[in-house]
Amino acid sequence: AQKVTQAQTEISVVEKEDVTLDCVYETRDTTYYLFWYKQPPSGELVFLIRRNSFDEQNEISGRYSWNFQKSTSSFNFTITASQVVDSAVYFCALSEYNFNKFYFGSGTKLNVKP
Amino acid sequence: DGGITQSPKYLFRKEGQNVTLSCEQNLNHDAMYWYRQDPGQGLRLIYYSQIVNDFQKGDIAEGYSVSREKKESFPLTVTSAQKNPTAFYLCASSPSGATHSGNTIYFGEGSWLTVV
Repeated sequence: AQKVTQAQTEISVVEKEDVTLDCVYETRDTTYYLFWYKQPPSGELVFLIRRNSFDEQNEISGRYSWNFQKSTSSFNFTITASQVVDSAVYFCALSEYNFNKFYFGSGTKLNVKP
Repeated sequence: DGGITQSPKYLFRKEGQNVTLSCEQNLNHDAMYWYRQDPGQGLRLIYYSQIVNDFQKGDIAEGYSVSREKKESFPLTVTSAQKNPTAFYLCASSPSGATHSGNTIYFGEGSWLTVV
């Protein structure tokens, strides 16, 4: 069975603080994809990153970085120097290779206060 | 612009009525999906379709129906059998198969359905 767990329901930080959103997954597949999405108050889910199971290199995109560790089945997301515009719900997701079914975590609501 | 268009953005339904939510994509994606999101909760899969004229039930298909007569369109009907339909509905699509550029799922802007 596949499962994605985001244990942090809600996080509040003050602007310019760094924040890490946790994601732990379960799968029996050796090949799979992991994703992060951002859902601002407007509702649309915005794709942030996709990582396949064979690529454990960490990735950095501006203030965003992702840490993928197969040994702990985790795919954590860090925002450096957070801004008010980062306030949103963030979802982690898992999909199997060559099969179009996605499993989403329950989301983490991030509140960035000025 | 390429993307996924959902309509209407807001919809009010009287109890006992069926309503249909529209979802159109011009991304040439084979797979399409409908998710339901309740306040403060994650996404739950209602139905998905990997090819025209074929679709499968997701985790919460009861009270819903879909059709996939065209590649671009995947409308969702919320029937009167759905006892608690008030929610946010998200349509999504993705390329089919690993040979495509990415097995990534893209979302529309969502539709809010309220039963009055």
